[in-house]
Amino acid sequence: EVQLVESGGGLVQPGGSLRLSCAASGFTFSNYNMNWVRQAPGKGLEWISYISNSGNTIYYADSVKGRFTISKDSAKNSLYLRMNSLRAEDTAVYYCARDRCSGSSCYYDYWGQGTLVTVSS
Amino acid sequence: DIVLTQSPDSLAVSLGERATINCKSSQTILYSSNNKNCLAWYQQKPGQPPKLLTYWASTRESGVPDRFSGSGSGTDFTLTISSLQAEDVAVYYCQQYYGTPTFGQGTKVEI
Repeated sequence: EVQLVESGGGLVQPGGSLRLSCAASGFTFSNYNMNWVRQAPGKGLEWISYISNSGNTIYYADSVKGRFTISKDSAKNSLYLRMNSLRAEDTAVYYCARDRCSGSSCYYDYWGQGTLVTVSS
Repeated sequence: DIVLTQSPDSLAVSLGERATINCKSSQTILYSSNNKNCLAWYQQKPGQPPKLLTYWASTRESGVPDRFSGSGSGTDFTLTISSLQAEDVAVYYCQQYYGTPTFGQGTKVEI
């Protein structure tokens, strides 16, 4: 059974940092591209970052570029999101999501339950 | 970025009746390599992550009931629930993956 379990969320002050983790199981993690998608409270979905299965191709949404860093450790079956210079508008539930396609990014067939990040003083 | 606009923002449908949700793209999202439209639909119930329903505009994900169907091409797409069940109460999102991924704003379906 495919499972994605996020962790690392919490309350952080504006300007602070957090590192989110996503532990993957039930599939060959190194074969899949992965993404982070967030959802502000009561709002819609926003894609924020993509990393290819090899880790060689990375994309970011403009809203987080230069502040967030996506990475992966295939030996640990884990995906990460390092978030720096956090702002109130980064407050959201952060989901990791598996990309179905093997080439460029497409749609997401499995999602974690999400981890809540709250940026507030 | 490609903008997806869903309509309506919410709708109430009687049990057993048809629900239709529209998604309009700001530009065509046809992938020339396979002649398919780069559009997916998701269902999100309260407190849960999104669940993939359809992709390539009209391909139903394995395990999704056949009352859910996706259609459309070019810039106009539709998700249809042919006979609404109580468990279908949720917010539905379209997503394009032709360019930088974007989602529609969501459509809330109620009984």
